[in-house]
Amino acid sequence: EPEVTQTPSHQVTQMGQEVILRCVPISNHLYFYWYRQILGQKVEFLVSFYNNEISEKSEIFDDQFSVERPDGSNFTLKIRSTKLEDSAMYFCASSVRPGSYNEQFFGPGTRLTVL
Amino acid sequence: KNEVEQSPQNLTAQEGEFITINCSYSVGISALHWLQQHPGGGIVSLFMLSSGKKKHGRLIATINIQEKHSSLHITASHPRDSAVYICAVSSVDGGTSYGKLTFGQGTILTVHP
Repeated sequence: EPEVTQTPSHQVTQMGQEVILRCVPISNHLYFYWYRQILGQKVEFLVSFYNNEISEKSEIFDDQFSVERPDGSNFTLKIRSTKLEDSAMYFCASSVRPGSYNEQFFGPGTRLTVL
Repeated sequence: KNEVEQSPQNLTAQEGEFITINCSYSVGISALHWLQQHPGGGIVSLFMLSSGKKKHGRLIATINIQEKHSSLHITASHPRDSAVYICAVSSVDGGTSYGKLTFGQGTILTVHP
């Protein structure tokens, strides 16, 4: 069964460093998302991406964050200069079509630890 | 902004018991999702619904749009059902909905043998 994959599973970095989290969505999916979950808190929406541009972003998704689909398969989240409060689990998700009434398929997550 | 509240926050059951987890939301939605999060952190979609009821195996999800309320039921619970169950909604913003999900805080379910 097709699935969303994410690498790495765990990333440890020093504050101020840049990190790139990678996702491979399901191959025929067109709409991509990043969410994050700080330990013990709710999952929060970061950004959605369709047709090579951001569709929607949250207040969390400031200038330190960027997303890219560098080729036909990968979808990346870059954090330019990490802060301690960026430590969280980051989930990528994808859906077949854009819009709200479409099931989203989640990757296993990348645990980011900022020291 | 949609607020999503789940109850209970923690639920402990004996194997075989019937379980209900509730979810309420504050504004109109396009769809409601029930998700399962395993101890390792991965999230699996269980149901997506916008009206009525859906059933998959021992899991049943219902939604009442007028009351802005949904329930997830597990019949004949089993220790392998132990996980965090999360309700999430996709809202309609000014007639356009992009699919972003707003999540509840999750219900931690533990089923003892």
